[in-house]
Amino acid sequence: AQTVTQSQPEMSVQEAETVTLSCTYDTSESDYYLFWYKQPPSRQMILVIRQEAYKQQNATENRFSVNFQKAAKSFSLKISDSQLGDAAMYFCAYRSLSEYGNKLVFGAGTILRVKS
Amino acid sequence: DAGITQSPRYKITETGRQVTLMCHQTWSHSYMFWYRQDLGHGLRLIYYSAAADITDKGEVPDGYVVSRSKTENFPLTLESATRSQTSVYFCASSPDRGQGYTFGSGTRLTVV
Repeated sequence: AQTVTQSQPEMSVQEAETVTLSCTYDTSESDYYLFWYKQPPSRQMILVIRQEAYKQQNATENRFSVNFQKAAKSFSLKISDSQLGDAAMYFCAYRSLSEYGNKLVFGAGTILRVKS
Repeated sequence: DAGITQSPRYKITETGRQVTLMCHQTWSHSYMFWYRQDLGHGLRLIYYSAAADITDKGEVPDGYVVSRSKTENFPLTLESATRSQTSVYFCASSPDRGQGYTFGSGTRLTVV
């Protein structure tokens, strides 16, 4: 079974600066998807970014980008020009394409605090 | 409005009572999921469904029952609530394997 590890329970960043959240995963599969979700205090789960494993190019969405290292099984999220609204819990998630049900497996989450 | 809705948003119940959490989606997504969120554990899968009338256990299914007689509905029932089932419950749906999920707004359940 796949596992996802987020080694940073909590991170802080100054407004307008850049922060990187770490994620590693364990799998024997070659084809899969990776995601970052944001959960603000409202508790709504919001999809931030998606990466297809077969694509070498790192995904970007405005101020959010990933560093996908397939061989190292690493999938970090970089937030540039951090804003107060970025403060949230961030979850890294893995989705198998071959396993029945294609379930998302989540990491334990990283709390991001943004200081003004 | 199109989307995925969960009800209720908050629920307090007593130990031993049966509780049903509702989930409804308007997209006709094939896949639907129930997760629970607890501090330090992230989100853990309770049950999932790949289509109407097809359901399967996830990581933590004990004490829960699901059904999916219609594509759009996926209720979760706690047969006899216990304090360990105090949690935030999320329902989610997905159109196919490569997509991320769309989540409902969650139900905070407290068992006293």
